[in-house]
Amino acid sequence: DSGVTQTPKHLITATGQRVTLRCSPRSGDLSVYWYQQSLDQGLQFLIQYYNGEERAKGNILERFSAQQFPDLHSELNLSSLELGDSALYFCASSARGGSQETQYFGPGTRLLVL
Amino acid sequence: GNSVTQMEGPVTLSEEAFLTINCTYTATGYPSLFWYVQYPGEGLQLLLKATKADDKGSNKGFEATYRKETTSFHLEKGSVQVSDSAVYFCALSDLTGNQFYFGTGTSLTVIP
Repeated sequence: DSGVTQTPKHLITATGQRVTLRCSPRSGDLSVYWYQQSLDQGLQFLIQYYNGEERAKGNILERFSAQQFPDLHSELNLSSLELGDSALYFCASSARGGSQETQYFGPGTRLLVL
Repeated sequence: GNSVTQMEGPVTLSEEAFLTINCTYTATGYPSLFWYVQYPGEGLQLLLKATKADDKGSNKGFEATYRKETTSFHLEKGSVQVSDSAVYFCALSDLTGNQFYFGTGTSLTVIP
């Protein structure tokens, strides 16, 4: 158990809909990362937050957005969903987001868009 | 730009065989390098890491050495077990800690 929790575990929705994925980092970790894992594109870094502020953006679509709240939990919002958004979404956390730090991954949310 | 190239899988080995999974990277400066492992149905977990050239990361019998001259970070284990069956990801963190790159993953199956 990494100490990172993600809800829900599974999500099934239809094209065009909007969903919210939630992540609680390990106790004491200030930095949260979001990743998308799909069969055709592997594991892609989406976005990083540090202590409530966006720190870095990776391959995140404009239809996707995220935020980190004062209690440090984070939410990833996916809107206007397409079939190709079906994937496993991981959240990870680290102490301060430094380049040498270990990231601790949650169990993931499996999203299926029909 | 930065990238990680990882050996294609899947890899199937007999128990007690020697394992090598190749990983090479492209980056400016001296990034930090990681191997993560993903067991079936679980999230990724750190296996080992190295943060500067010639560092050797090791854990649970696995080793990898940060080779700046060949831009490589190959994962090795002398004697694999059935419980090592998983997907292994090589990863890179740039100097700023703001960008992260994962390889495509190598699936390993160890048969008794």
